[in-house]
Amino acid sequence: DAKTTQPTSMDCAEGRAANLPCNHSTISGNEYVYWYRQIHSQGPQYIIHGLKNNETNEMASLIITEDRKSSTLILPHATLRDTAVYYCIGNTGNQFYFGTGTSLTVIP
Amino acid sequence: NAGVTQTPKFQVLKTGQSMTLQCAQDMNHNSMYWYRQDPGMGLRLIYYSASEGTTDKGEVPNGYNVSRLNKREFSLRLESAAPSQTSVYFCASRQGATDTQYFGPGTRLTVL
Repeated sequence: DAKTTQPTSMDCAEGRAANLPCNHSTISGNEYVYWYRQIHSQGPQYIIHGLKNNETNEMASLIITEDRKSSTLILPHATLRDTAVYYCIGNTGNQFYFGTGTSLTVIP
Repeated sequence: NAGVTQTPKFQVLKTGQSMTLQCAQDMNHNSMYWYRQDPGMGLRLIYYSASEGTTDKGEVPNGYNVSRLNKREFSLRLESAAPSQTSVYFCASRQGATDTQYFGPGTRLTVL
C-alpha cells in the first residue's frame, strides 16, 4: 500500500508558486500517485495524477522523482482560492489512502 | 450532467435509529465508493462497489451495510446509529481502477 507522508501545513504568497511535497516511499511499481484538494468541507476535487512521468494540466504540475519515492505538486501562480487541504494519495486498485494532507494557506 | 449527488445534505439521528444515505452518479461509471471523514482527518473508505452487483469492505466497514441498487445508485445504511458514526460521508465514483474518482458534496451526519 502506498501510504503517503505530507507536511501538516504550508504558507505561500499570492502569485508565487506553491510547491507541495509528498513522500510515498512504499509505493509499488504499478501504483499511481493522485493529488486532490478539499476546500472547507466540500467533496475532494481532483487535481492531477501520474505514474512515473511528470505531468501537467491546466491546474498544476506533478513532478515524480525517478525512484518514485516522492513527488511534488506545483501550483504555478497561487491565488487565494487555492487555500485548501491538499492530499497526496496512493492508489492500489480500488483503495485510495488519503492521509491527513497539507493545509495550504495562500497569503495576500 | 450533475455528476455525483448525495441525499440528504444534513441529518441528525438519535442513538439506535437507522437511516440510509443515498448516492447517485450520472457518468455511467462502473465503480462507486463510500467514505467517511472525521474532523481534522482524511477520508477513510467504508465500502466500495467495483461493478454493478459486487460490493467489498474498505478500511472501516463495521456498523454499515451497502447496496448497489443498479449502475447509477449506491446506498449506505446505518442499522443502529452510534455517536461514533458522527461524521461527514462522501460518495464517489469512477470508471476504472486507474481513473479519477469524482466526489459528491457530502452528507453531514450527527448522532446524539
